Amino acid sequence: QQPVQSPQAVILREGEDAVINCSSSKALYSVHWYRQKHGEAPVFLMILLKGGEQKGHDKISASFNEKKQQSSLYLTASQLSYSGTYFCGTGPTRQGAQKLVFGQGTRLTINP
Amino acid sequence: SQTIHQWPATLVQPVGSPLSLECTVEGTSNPNLYWYRQAAGRGLQLLFYSVGIGQISSEVPQNLSASRPQDRQFILSSKKLLLSDSGFYLCAWSRDPGLYGYTFGSGTRLTVV
Repeated sequence: QQPVQSPQAVILREGEDAVINCSSSKALYSVHWYRQKHGEAPVFLMILLKGGEQKGHDKISASFNEKKQQSSLYLTASQLSYSGTYFCGTGPTRQGAQKLVFGQGTRLTINP
Repeated sequence: SQTIHQWPATLVQPVGSPLSLECTVEGTSNPNLYWYRQAAGRGLQLLFYSVGIGQISSEVPQNLSASRPQDRQFILSSKKLLLSDSGFYLCAWSRDPGLYGYTFGSGTRLTVV
């Protein structure tokens, strides 16, 4: 089942913060986050493996709430380079099919 | 380090013509391999994935097929293209998607005319 991302789109001014949410109706075992710039392939940002785990690099971080079956991606003091479409992907169990199920994407536009 | 190669980058094909897209991975063995398609402005649709040579799982029953003739080679094919096959085709690999991220190839933009 496809995870649901919200919002579908967001427009910010440079320096503002953004939060993108990813919710699943099924139990989450791992959550991936990717960014895709227009006309390019998606690029892996990070994976969260445990409930309660938080990760980040630069000013992009994410959290994983296993109980709520959701993950959130935080973009702080956004830069123009953060523009793109962000996808979350829910990972498989050890016994499950070895594939991700991606959300529908969140389009982030950063204006100067 | 591992690299993934996908070609061609752009392709314009007439309706009814065959298709062959190739993807190869270097620097790793026994990768999980994936083919995705993305329509303009849309999400990532999984077409096929493979966990080993000759092992193909199909997610979308259409006029596309996939093969994995070698450990690090993944091929997407069609005997007769439809207009609806147009899109951005992405190959990806992962050591284990439960623990590691996907690395995507640079993609093939296919236009069926």
